[in-house]
Amino acid sequence: GENVEQHPSTLSVQEGDSAVIKCTYSDSASNYFPWYKQELGKRPQLIIDIRSNVGEKKDQRIAVTLNKTAKHFSLHITETQPEDSAVYFCVTGGNTDKLIFGTGTRLQVFP
Amino acid sequence: EPEVTQTPSHQVTQMGQEVILRCVPISNHLYFYWYRQILGQKVEFLVSFYNNEISEKSEIFDDQFSVERPDGSNFTLKIRSTKLEDSAMYFCASSTGTGHTEAFFGQGTRLTVV
Repeated sequence: GENVEQHPSTLSVQEGDSAVIKCTYSDSASNYFPWYKQELGKRPQLIIDIRSNVGEKKDQRIAVTLNKTAKHFSLHITETQPEDSAVYFCVTGGNTDKLIFGTGTRLQVFP
Repeated sequence: EPEVTQTPSHQVTQMGQEVILRCVPISNHLYFYWYRQILGQKVEFLVSFYNNEISEKSEIFDDQFSVERPDGSNFTLKIRSTKLEDSAMYFCASSTGTGHTEAFFGQGTRLTVV
């Protein structure tokens, strides 16, 4: 079945350092790869997404890369700030309605 | 900015009771979803709804669950006979399209079954 593996489950970094979260997926029909950020007790919110015809996308301090052949995608956050602290979910979407969420990465940025 | 809104924010119910969770999707969206998140775990798809019918559902969405769009604005999730394992945060979401369009999530309803 469809599965999205995400690593690491927790990540602690010093403010200003970079953070990298990696995901692998199983469904080769996946063609949409959003990343959601969920602050404690709040709703998941989209921070960036990438589609299968693109290998890399950047938005200020956030970048995503996609390797469709290997079924890997990753999130890179540079110059981390304390407000980046949250749980990050990699997600896949495809030709069906549903989004498949990864297991989540709890990012803590220490001042 | 338009938002998906959910009520109530927290619902406590006795095992075996029926609950209805309510959602108001963003007004020009056509696709509606329910997801759930058991405490500390990932968000799981339950059901999608389009054109007044279920378009897809997961294995979790069994006969105890139903969804309805009773009017032009509300979208509800009903659990007929709640079980302890139904305790979770339930998120409603809506989008303009399917598959690879952004899904906007509500703030969630925390359901506690005792």
